[in-house]
Amino acid sequence: DQQVKQNSPSLSVQEGRISILNCDYTNSMFDYFLWYKKYPAEGPTFLISISSIKDKNEDGRFTVFLNKSAKHLSLHIVPSQPGDSAVYFCAALRGAQKLVFGQGTRLTINP
Amino acid sequence: DGGITQSPKYLFRKEGQNVTLSCEQNLNHDAMYWYRQDPGQGLRLIYYSQIVNDFQKGDIAEGYSVSREKKESFPLTVTSAQKNPTAFYLCASSIYRTGSAHQPQHFGDGTRLSIL
Repeated sequence: DQQVKQNSPSLSVQEGRISILNCDYTNSMFDYFLWYKKYPAEGPTFLISISSIKDKNEDGRFTVFLNKSAKHLSLHIVPSQPGDSAVYFCAALRGAQKLVFGQGTRLTINP
Repeated sequence: DGGITQSPKYLFRKEGQNVTLSCEQNLNHDAMYWYRQDPGQGLRLIYYSQIVNDFQKGDIAEGYSVSREKKESFPLTVTSAQKNPTAFYLCASSIYRTGSAHQPQHFGDGTRLSIL
């Protein structure tokens, strides 16, 4: 039962353009949604989060949008930089501390 | 520097053997977690612990065991009962406060376990 889904395994974007990563979920009871970034052979690093009562949160080049009616969230990175090339995981928080992760999307930024 | 240390980075196990993965944190975090990542999949929760001497099963606890005798340490034992142990194992920690819904989890760099 995949409660959090990232349907695009990979995404390729030109440097300087916008990267949009998508995530869908099935459980309406999630309290928070988070994005993590992961480089090879390293642990994930927390990037940005959004409460289920909000529809947008912005932090520098990163913005997360939440559409509760569609059970969909997206991460926008603008402008995209070569260092943004990594695997991005969407995660949802249920209960006090339990995270449910999507499968990840590999983002490649091309020069 | 504060952080989470997982050791070893690579681990090989013979069939039928138990193996223990180490996770130590000096962030003074209350909660600690173990996840498993398989190729093309997200992280799946194995066990988590919110306080010392207490832990709960996650979504895929079968074949694994943990202990939490100290706040800083949360070792994971992969037992011979785990039928498919080859994976990348990640340990995480976070602040835990009752009623506080969101505290980002901080991850170690993982241990890759392989069966010989």
